[in-house]
Amino acid sequence: EAQVTQNPRYLITVTGKKLTVTCSQNMNHEYMSWYRQDPGLGLRQIYYSMNVEVTDKGDVPEGYKVSRKEKRNFPLILESPSPNQTSLYFCASSRGGMSYEQYFGPGTRLTVT
Amino acid sequence: AQKITQTQPGMFVQEKEAVTLDCTYDTSDPSYGLFWYKQPSSGEMIFLIYQGSYDQQNATEGRYSLNFQKARKSANLVISASQLGDSAMYFCAMRGTNTNAGKSTFGDGTTLTVKP
Repeated sequence: EAQVTQNPRYLITVTGKKLTVTCSQNMNHEYMSWYRQDPGLGLRQIYYSMNVEVTDKGDVPEGYKVSRKEKRNFPLILESPSPNQTSLYFCASSRGGMSYEQYFGPGTRLTVT
Repeated sequence: AQKITQTQPGMFVQEKEAVTLDCTYDTSDPSYGLFWYKQPSSGEMIFLIYQGSYDQQNATEGRYSLNFQKARKSANLVISASQLGDSAMYFCAMRGTNTNAGKSTFGDGTTLTVKP
């Protein structure tokens, strides 16, 4: 089954404790992206990757890191989480190019206290 | 930069009637893609329909159609014969090219409620 998986689905952590949210896709997609969703603000792009070893900032990259060492994986790293990073996070993937829809993971609900 | 504006935070429609969800966009790219996604209360994101900026005809997918007016920079979603299962949040989104290649921008969403 074609899918994007994210882990963990739910996470409660404390300020400053480094964490990683994993994202993996099995569709051989070139493009992957991370978003955060906050009430009333839609989805905002954090980072994206056009292919292996190619990453770039989205609209809200501060406080986040990413890497793309393999085509299928695109982890999101919060090195020192803060309460303002409490949010719902989505990973997505698609074929390269502007005309392809994105396939989304189920989301990760992160709470930073 | 690219921007998506959805001006309707919430909409109501009677079951079996049609409804239009508004979306306007702004971009400097000569070509771009426009998308609509649905997010039910369960939280997953579901792709509905795509319109390319150079497509001459409006896109249709079953009960969904996209009313694309390039000169007005609008890409409204029309849902015909609404069903109770259409109650959800709907997002308009854009993907760019050139300097915006890789950028993906979403609107703030419209919550649609279908009344029986």
